[in-house]
Amino acid sequence: AQSVTQLGSHVSVSEGALVLLRCNYSSSVPPYLFWYVQYPNQGLQLLLKYTSAATLVKGINGFEAEFKKSETSFHLTKPSAHMSDAAEYFCAVTKRSGGSYIPTFGRGTSLIVHP
Amino acid sequence: DAGVIQSPRHEVTEMGQEVTLRCKPISGHNSLFWYRQTMMRGLELLIYFNNNVPIDDSGMPEDRFSAKMPNASFSTLKIQPSEPRDSAVYFCASSSGQAYGYTFGSGTRLTVV
Repeated sequence: AQSVTQLGSHVSVSEGALVLLRCNYSSSVPPYLFWYVQYPNQGLQLLLKYTSAATLVKGINGFEAEFKKSETSFHLTKPSAHMSDAAEYFCAVTKRSGGSYIPTFGRGTSLIVHP
Repeated sequence: DAGVIQSPRHEVTEMGQEVTLRCKPISGHNSLFWYRQTMMRGLELLIYFNNNVPIDDSGMPEDRFSAKMPNASFSTLKIQPSEPRDSAVYFCASSSGQAYGYTFGSGTRLTVV
């Protein structure tokens, strides 16, 4: 069964520093992978997605993620953190169920950005 | 497109009362999902529909929970009777296929006192 594990429930960085949020997946077939961001009191917003094309995926707000099959990883990075990046980030993988594909989410990583 | 629209944004109700949450998916999306988010359990899938038909409701916690999708543009999640442990944020999401991702509504924050 497909699932994702996000390492670290909280990540703290200084403004301008590199952001690295980790996600590992388990899947028996090449998966579809996603990163979502949730700002306080809002819904989840799609940051980027991997759909079996390029392994390096660029998303919104300067974020990108690299699919590494050998490591079963899909880590999210951003070269320079902004205060506005402080939010909850979720990694998700789709799994097939009843003829449909449904997203299964990790527990989330809270990104804290210090001035 | 206005995105996925959920109502109400906030709901406070007394234990034992019936609660109905509403969702309007994005036009043209054929899949609809209801999620519950709590600090303890994170995001839990409650039920999902494909072409208005419920496909998997194994995530619905109890018989007190029910969901319907009478047409492609409207779905409801009902809790009857409500209990304090049902307090959570409930999200609706829709999709036109996994390759396109899933679009979430802003959620309904339910508080049962």
